[in-house]
Amino acid sequence: KAGVTQTPRYLIKTRGQQVTLSCSPISGHRSVSWYQQTPGQGLQFLFEYFSETQRNKGNFPGRFSGRQFSNSRSEMNVSTLELGDSALYLCASSLGGASYGYTFGSGTRLTVV
Amino acid sequence: QKEVEQDPGPLSVPEGAIVSLNCTYSNSAFQYFMWYRQYSRKGPELLMYTYSSGNKEDGRFTAQVDKSSKYISLFIRDSQPSDSATYLCAMTYYTGTASKLTFGTGTRLQVTL
Repeated sequence: KAGVTQTPRYLIKTRGQQVTLSCSPISGHRSVSWYQQTPGQGLQFLFEYFSETQRNKGNFPGRFSGRQFSNSRSEMNVSTLELGDSALYLCASSLGGASYGYTFGSGTRLTVV
Repeated sequence: QKEVEQDPGPLSVPEGAIVSLNCTYSNSAFQYFMWYRQYSRKGPELLMYTYSSGNKEDGRFTAQVDKSSKYISLFIRDSQPSDSATYLCAMTYYTGTASKLTFGTGTRLQVTL
């Protein structure tokens, strides 16, 4: 069965712009989580959506937002990009959360110049 | 102090060696423990998933959890060059409505011929 699909794979944006990343979870999975991975901080939790509702949020500024659609696909938006937002953004899907395990996509590598 | 501590390595071993990777954690609420493998330019791939204390074996991989010591391990037997990757420990607890993964920083493993 198809895995977690993230698009685009690579993005280059200019400081101050905004960006939208997309994630299609495994069919049947209702939970979608987003993580930011950087060499200095490692993997950090951004937020989790379940059945179109955000049910958990990490310690990131309000410039980072997301949403989930009725088909479980999710988008993440970052507004007013900063150089420090350059990172690999990973999406993980799960049937329902911790007790079911998480499957990650290959990520979107965002470079802010 | 980070909630999850992991030696970043790099760890270099010859082919066929037994590899031991470890993480310690401080939050006694963690119940679910995972090991992910991440190849360069890829997303993390779930290797092992355990609930609570004990051992779990899957092929060449064995995961151990010692909740009393807040210590988890991953053993790789008969290591292969294809095992060269970054290994991330992750853990979480389930509140009934929300969960998130807390990751270690990852250990870079190099298996040499």
